[in-house]
Amino acid sequence: SQTIHQWPATLVQPVGSPLSLECTVEGTSNPNLYWYRQAAGRGLQLLFYSVGIGQISSEVPQNLSASRPQDRQFILSSKKLLLSDSGFYLCAWFRQVNTEAFFGQGTRLTVV
Amino acid sequence: AQSVAQPEDQVNVAEGNPLTVKCTYSVSGNPYLFWYVQYPNRGLQFLLKYITGDNLVKGSYGFEAEFNKSQTSFHLKKPSALVSDSALYFCAVRGANDYKLSFGAGTTVTVRA
Repeated sequence: SQTIHQWPATLVQPVGSPLSLECTVEGTSNPNLYWYRQAAGRGLQLLFYSVGIGQISSEVPQNLSASRPQDRQFILSSKKLLLSDSGFYLCAWFRQVNTEAFFGQGTRLTVV
Repeated sequence: AQSVAQPEDQVNVAEGNPLTVKCTYSVSGNPYLFWYVQYPNRGLQFLLKYITGDNLVKGSYGFEAEFNKSQTSFHLKKPSALVSDSALYFCAVRGANDYKLSFGAGTTVTVRA
């Protein structure tokens, strides 16, 4: 069966520090991948999606970037964090457009 | 552009009563529609989906949803709510030719004993 892993679960970082969040999928190949941010326990904002290695689509211009160095690995990064980057970050994968997405357990990021 | 509206921030029901969470959507072409549930500080769990076929779809934990193309709605329902159904519920839409999955703002469901 397929599983998706995100780490770390929680992170407290100072303003101006770099960020790297990692997401990996097991048990499948060529997954389509998403990064979402959820603010204040409400709606999900799509940040990036990827349909293949090195293929990244950005939905919202901001202080973040994403990379997909391997088929089942999706990384969210920032060179310098802002207070507004705080939130709950969720990674998800899906097989094709008519299938559901499966979510990781999320990373709670607090920028101080 | 695609979008989802969940008009109610909160829904409160008594245990044993029917539960309805409303969702309307906007998308180009045929929609793929999904419902998810989220418990505090957790990822989203998939409940059910509409892709094609019967307008009434059944999912996990006794939930069902009805697709109404003319009203562009996909309301989530449960005939008899449980206290354990208390959570945050999200409706989501994806266009048939689009990789993007757009979510509504979420509806907090509280089921009182």
